[in-house]
Order: sequence, then structure tokens, then C-alpha cells
Amino acid sequence: DGGITQSPKYLFRKEGQNVTLSCEQNLNHDAMYWYRQDPGQGLRLIYYSQIVNDFQKGDIAEGYSVSREKKESFPLTVTSAQKNPTAFYLCASSISGGGTEAFFGQGTRLTVV
Amino acid sequence: GENVEQHPSTLSVQEGDSAVIKCTYSDSASNYFPWYKQELGKRPQLIIDIRSNVGEKKDQRIAVTLNKTAKHFSLHITETQPEDSAVYFCAATLNTGRRALTFGSGTRLQVQP
Repeated sequence: DGGITQSPKYLFRKEGQNVTLSCEQNLNHDAMYWYRQDPGQGLRLIYYSQIVNDFQKGDIAEGYSVSREKKESFPLTVTSAQKNPTAFYLCASSISGGGTEAFFGQGTRLTVV
Repeated sequence: GENVEQHPSTLSVQEGDSAVIKCTYSDSASNYFPWYKQELGKRPQLIIDIRSNVGEKKDQRIAVTLNKTAKHFSLHITETQPEDSAVYFCAATLNTGRRALTFGSGTRLQVQP
């Protein structure tokens, strides 16, 4: 079902702790993306990567970090510097960046208390 | 960067009626315009897309139209059914520079039986 897996589905953390969200794909896609979804605001781009060992900031990168050491994996770390981290996080991948279909994972709902 | 505006935010129609959702984009260099459907608690999934060299595309009950001059594109759903109820997102992407989808804020469609 899509070949892109996010884990865990639900995640709870205490304020001030860093947390890493996992995203793995077996579609052999070059490009991967992280989006944040809040009610009424659509999907906002956090980071994206078009190739291994390279990534760029999106619109709301502050308080987040990523790595792309392997083609299949694009983990997202939500740091304590992110002011309002509670949200639904979606990872996606596409064959190449830009004008190709993006396939989404099932998402991780992060709650910081 | 790209900016995508989507209207309306909510839309309620009677079963069998048509539904139209409109989006405008800011960057004339955008060349790919997908539409995603997200059912409650699920991941967004592509339902139709269009490229800048095409004015209209149809797939059974859904169609997308693109007006490059006015920089807007629309999703048309005919003969709506209750299972069409979901949140719909439009998106746009550039073919140079930041090659990642920019999404609209979403339209919640409710089809009343």
C-alpha cells in the first residue's frame, strides 16, 4: 500500500525533549518530503530532499532537522526549539522532485505535553 | 516561492449535484498541478493531476481545468456520491528551484445523501 512507512502512528513526548519521526520508502524514489498538517492550514513543507546527502529547508523549517544518509530513509527530528510541535506529520516521496506524483505515508500524530 | 490559495474552505452539496473547488497560484513557472483527496484519518491520495501544457483533463466523474493566463485551476466533481465526502487539496510545483509541492489550505466537501 504505497511503499512508504511512517512510524510510530502516535507519539507522545514531554515538552523540552527532542523526538525523531521515522520515514522509510521502498519505491526507489529519489525525492522525499516532510509536511506538517494543522487543522485549516493544509500541508506545509518542513524539509525536502531531492537526492541522498542533500536536503533543503521548506517554509517552516525552524525547530526541525533532517538527514538523508540513505535513499530509503528520511528521518525528521522535532527539537525543543520548535515552539508548537503538536501536529500531524506526513512524509512523502516521489520519483524525482517537482512534477511527479507524491506518495504519502500514513502520518505520525505527535503530541507534546 | 510559490503560493497557492484554495476556495471554498467548506462545501456542502446534495448527492447527485456537482462540486467545484478553485485554486490560484502565484508563480507562472509552475508546471504541475495535482489534486489530493484525504479521507478522515487517512493519508492524502492523488485523484487527478494536470500539467501546464494541457487545459483540461477528465477521469470519469472528476475533471480538472487549468487557465495559465489567469493562474488558476479547478476541480470539478459531477454526480457526487456520499463517498466523495473528504478534504480535497490542490497543489502546485515549480520545474526549477524548489521542486516540491506547495499545497492549498484544503476544502472539506460534504455530500448530503
